[in-house]
Amino acid sequence: IAGITQAPTSQILAAGRRMTLRCTQDMRHNAMYWYRQDLGLGLRLIHYSNTAGTTGKGEVPDGYSVSRANTDDFPLTLASAVPSQTSVYFCASSRLGEPTDTQYFGPGTRLTVL
Amino acid sequence: GQNIDQPTEMTATEGAIVQINCTYQTSGFNGLFWYQQHAGEAPTFLSYNVLDGLEEKGRFSSFLSRSKGYSYLLLKELQMKDSASYLCAVRDSNYQLIWGAGTKLIIKP
Repeated sequence: IAGITQAPTSQILAAGRRMTLRCTQDMRHNAMYWYRQDLGLGLRLIHYSNTAGTTGKGEVPDGYSVSRANTDDFPLTLASAVPSQTSVYFCASSRLGEPTDTQYFGPGTRLTVL
Repeated sequence: GQNIDQPTEMTATEGAIVQINCTYQTSGFNGLFWYQQHAGEAPTFLSYNVLDGLEEKGRFSSFLSRSKGYSYLLLKELQMKDSASYLCAVRDSNYQLIWGAGTKLIIKP
C-alpha cells in the first residue's frame, strides 16, 4: 500500500441496504476525513477523526456513521441507504500539527443508490 | 454563512496564461489551499497560502490577500494536461476545510 486506498471503486446499491465504504492509509497520519462530492457543489465533510478512538461530525453527517479503531482505517457506514446518498465519496488523511496540515485524498468510491 | 466563490468554467489556449480567482467569506481563516482534480480522479494538492503575497511553484503560482478575502491561482505555459478542475478551499476557525465548487479549466490547442 502506498498512500491512501479506498474500496470498493464503485458500487450500485438498492435503497434500504447497509453499506460500508473502506479507507486505509499507510502514512501514519493522525487525522482522517470522509467527504462526498456532488456535481456543482464543493466537497462536503461528512465525518472526521483527529486521532484513533475519536470521531466528529462534519457538515452533512446524517445517515452516515464512522469508527476509528486504529490509526490506519476509517470505514464509513450507510446504515440504510437512500437515493440522495448517490455520490462520489472521498477519504482523506492529514498530519495534524504540521504547518500546512495538507489533506491527501484516496481515489474515491462512486456509489449509486437505486 | 460560509462561502467560497470561484468561476464555474474557464477556457484558455495551450501555451497561454490563465488566472483562476477565488473569493471567500468564512468564520476565521487558517490558510487557503488549491487542489487540482482531473475528471474521475481524486483532488491533488497544489499550493498553500497563509500569509499575504505570492507563492510560486514552477508553472503554478498562488496569491493571497486576507484583507480582501481573495486568492488566485496563476497557471503559466498552459499544457493540455492542465485541463482539470481547480478547487479552492479555506481552513476556518474550527480547522475544517470549506471547499468551493471548483473551476473547470478547458485548454484548447
